[in-house]
Amino acid sequence: QQPVQSPQAVILREGEDAVINCSSSKALYSVHWYRQKHGEAPVFLMILLKGGEQKGHDKISASFNEKKQQSSLYLTASQLSYSGTYFCGTLGEAAGNKLTFGGGTRVLVKP
Amino acid sequence: DSGVTQTPKHLITATGQRVTLRCSPRSGDLSVYWYQQSLDQGLQFLIQYYNGEERAKGNILERFSAQQFPDLHSELNLSSLELGDSALYFCASSSNTGLAGGQQFFGPGTRLTVL
Repeated sequence: QQPVQSPQAVILREGEDAVINCSSSKALYSVHWYRQKHGEAPVFLMILLKGGEQKGHDKISASFNEKKQQSSLYLTASQLSYSGTYFCGTLGEAAGNKLTFGGGTRVLVKP
Repeated sequence: DSGVTQTPKHLITATGQRVTLRCSPRSGDLSVYWYQQSLDQGLQFLIQYYNGEERAKGNILERFSAQQFPDLHSELNLSSLELGDSALYFCASSSNTGLAGGQQFFGPGTRLTVL
C-alpha cells in the first residue's frame, strides 16, 4: 500500500523551513527519501531504519517515528537547489522486498 | 552521473508493438530494480532482480517481463503496448545483499511514448 505524503506541494522563499510528512498504514522496516528534479532521475537523500533515528544530509534532515509509522523530512534554511519533488519510499516489515513510493511532494524555492 | 546507464533514452512506438529497454547497473551492483513513472506521478515499482534471479515483484503487468543476464545487465520487455504504457521507465541498482533496504542509484530513464 502506497504511503501518503503531505503536503502535495509547498512554495518557499529562500531561507525558509518546511516539513514533508510520509505516513504508512503498515509496520515499517525503513523509510527512504529521494529528490527528483524536473526531467532528471531521483537522487538518494537518506534511509531511516526503525528505531526513531534522525539523519541529516546537508541542511536536510529526517526522523522516523516507528510507533506512528511516520517519517518527516525537514528542509532547513532552504536553498534554491532544494527545489524538486521529494519522494518517500517505505519498506514494510511484511512487504517482502518491495520499496513502495509515495505520490511525492513538489517543493519550489523562490529567491 | 549515477553510474547506471539506460538505453534508449527515448522510444516512440505504436500500440500493439513490443519494445525492449536495457539497463546496465553500476559496476559491482548485483541488484537491479525497474520502476515506471507516468506523467506527474510517483514511482511505481515493477520488479527486482538480484544476481540473475527475480527477487521481488510489484504491480507488473503480464504483458511486461524482465530478466537479468550473467553480466548483470537487465532488460525490460514490454509487449502489446497500449497508450497507457507511455511513461518514463527507470532502472536503479544497489550494492546491498539483495534486500531493498539499501541506497538505490537511478539511471537517467527511458521515455516511452506509445502512439
